[in-house]
Amino acid sequence: EDKVVQSPLSLVVHEGDTVTLNCSYEVTNFRSLLWYKQEKKAPTFLFMLTSSGIEKKSGRLSSILDKKELFSILNITATQTGDSAIYLCAKRGSQGNLIFGKGTKLSVKP
Amino acid sequence: KAGVTQTPRYLIKTRGQQVTLSCSPISGHRSVSWYQQTPGQGLQFLFEYFSETQRNKGNFPGRFSGRQFSNSRSEMNVSTLELGDSALYLCASSSDSVNTEAFFGQGTRLTVV
Repeated sequence: EDKVVQSPLSLVVHEGDTVTLNCSYEVTNFRSLLWYKQEKKAPTFLFMLTSSGIEKKSGRLSSILDKKELFSILNITATQTGDSAIYLCAKRGSQGNLIFGKGTKLSVKP
Repeated sequence: KAGVTQTPRYLIKTRGQQVTLSCSPISGHRSVSWYQQTPGQGLQFLFEYFSETQRNKGNFPGRFSGRQFSNSRSEMNVSTLELGDSALYLCASSSDSVNTEAFFGQGTRLTVV
């Protein structure tokens, strides 16, 4: 069965800290890897990664994919309380559907 | 550009009833996928529609069905509701599901009592 595993499951940090969230996946039918931030309801799109080694960056967030080792990381620098959310990683398989990990719950304390 | 719109936002239904949820994708997007989110199982794929055809289906019973209209709007139907169907139902809009970004709507919170 296709699996996406995220770690850690939860994380508590203080404002200003840097965090790294991990996502590993199975290689079967891999097309792309997507990251989302979910605060209340709708997961908000962050990044889509298709190529190994190319970092995607948006403000304090960045992400990179390693297709050889089958993982991706999401980095958040200088964290703020507004970064508190569940971060979801999803693999898109050849048929197009997204297979999600359980998510990492990030809590940023003032 | 308007985002993905799901209606209704909240629903309370009784066991045995049926329910229909609606999703309007981003203008120009032809792919709509549906997901069920529960605390225990996380986000699970229900099905995907592209140009009015079901292109992909997850492992859910036949009580879960859907359709897509010519304007790309999609509906999801759940018949003979069970308590375990209580969940947040999310739809995702893509221009083409194979290798493009997917954008989610706010979801419909369904409670079955």
